[in-house]
Amino acid sequence: ETGVTQTPRHLVMGMTNKKSLKCEQHLGHNAMYWYKQSAKKPLELMFVYSLEERVENNSVPSRFSPECPNSSHLFLHLHTLQPEDSALYLCASSQDRDFTDTQYFGPGTRLTVL
Amino acid sequence: RKEVEQDPGPFNVPEGATVAFNCTYSNSASQSFFWYRQDCRKEPKLLMSVYSSGNEDGRFTAQLNRASQYISLLIRDSKLSDSATYLCVVNANTGGFKTIFGAGTRLFVKA
Repeated sequence: ETGVTQTPRHLVMGMTNKKSLKCEQHLGHNAMYWYKQSAKKPLELMFVYSLEERVENNSVPSRFSPECPNSSHLFLHLHTLQPEDSALYLCASSQDRDFTDTQYFGPGTRLTVL
Repeated sequence: RKEVEQDPGPFNVPEGATVAFNCTYSNSASQSFFWYRQDCRKEPKLLMSVYSSGNEDGRFTAQLNRASQYISLLIRDSKLSDSATYLCVVNANTGGFKTIFGAGTRLFVKA
């Protein structure tokens, strides 16, 4: 399945590095999401974009910076992360930001911060 | 109280068994409900939406009880391939749109 793709699949970075996660959706959707999934914890919604406009930012530290250049692409720029930021970062998309819309997830980027 | 709560399990059942999971939610303004399935080290995938009237898809039945604020998932005739974590998802309108995932219930189906 290639509806939502994410790169890289795995990333190891030091606390002083700058890196970016990329997400691309091929479904013609208008809404895209970034989630964080830590071990034994629920998925945490980080950011939501609808029609390329950020509509939600759930108290995420500024060391995470999203970018949505168009409706098909979503980036998460990472800067001076902490070891506790190590997690699986999942991108998702849905037709619109609507209560009934199903979200389709990418395979995730497993991030390790040393 | 967590906004969405699930029994983490694990549920260990033999093949062919019937197993049920519940998920409770705290926000009475919740609008829509879903069950997702997540395999180990994979992304969540939609299993089924949950409708007010209840809905069935093959061996899977989902129900919603708004009065008691819970949803349920029933799996009949369990298969080995049903082994996964089942995530309850709730969309609520609380002065803004919120999507909340439960922590998941782990199911192991054994031969």
